[in-house]
Amino acid sequence: QVQLQESGPGLVKPSETLSLTCTVSGDSIGDSYWSWIRHPAGKGLEWIGRVNGRGSTNYEPSLRSRATLSVDTSKNQFSLKLSSVTAADSAIYYCARGPYGANPSDYWGQGILVTVSS
Amino acid sequence: QSALTQPASVSGSPGQSITISCTGTSSDVGSYNLVSWYQQHPGKAPKLMIYEGSKRPSGVSNRFSGSKSGNTASLTISGLQAEDEADYYCCSYAGSSTFVFGTGTKVTVL
Repeated sequence: QVQLQESGPGLVKPSETLSLTCTVSGDSIGDSYWSWIRHPAGKGLEWIGRVNGRGSTNYEPSLRSRATLSVDTSKNQFSLKLSSVTAADSAIYYCARGPYGANPSDYWGQGILVTVSS
Repeated sequence: QSALTQPASVSGSPGQSITISCTGTSSDVGSYNLVSWYQQHPGKAPKLMIYEGSKRPSGVSNRFSGSKSGNTASLTISGLQAEDEADYYCCSYAGSSTFVFGTGTKVTVL
């Protein structure tokens, strides 16, 4: 069974960098693409971007200048860094397997609440 | 890119059928058969219900079905049950290796 678990600070100050890690078990991170998706309170889901096991990345155009996705195959983890955060970046952040080709995001982490506040 | 448009809410009585629309453009929904649908209960992670427009993952009830016409994808829930009350989101490939979600629909079982 594939499982994903997000970890990182739950509180980030404005203008600083949000850093989250997703630990994958039950699958090799080298075999797929892995995404970050966020869910601001009262709003819809937003795809942030994805990274594959070789470190190739794709980003939502509006976040491309601030988001950096990376992968650590030795730890079977992938990470998100989002710079210059504001209150608008407060959300539940999910990591997920996929999308990859015709395969959608099928396994998701439980999510981690990140609040941007001084 | 803009979020796909979904109705804010849809409701129905137990046993009825409801349909949720997901309207995009010729650059996303209209160009690819890569629409997926997710069910999200409060405080839970989204659950995949439909992928590639109309395929159901193993374990998902056949009461859930998907279709597409032009730039609009649809999710139909037949034989509505209390447990179907949740938020539903569509997601489409949007070209250039990017993806876009819908605005979300709250389903209420009356």
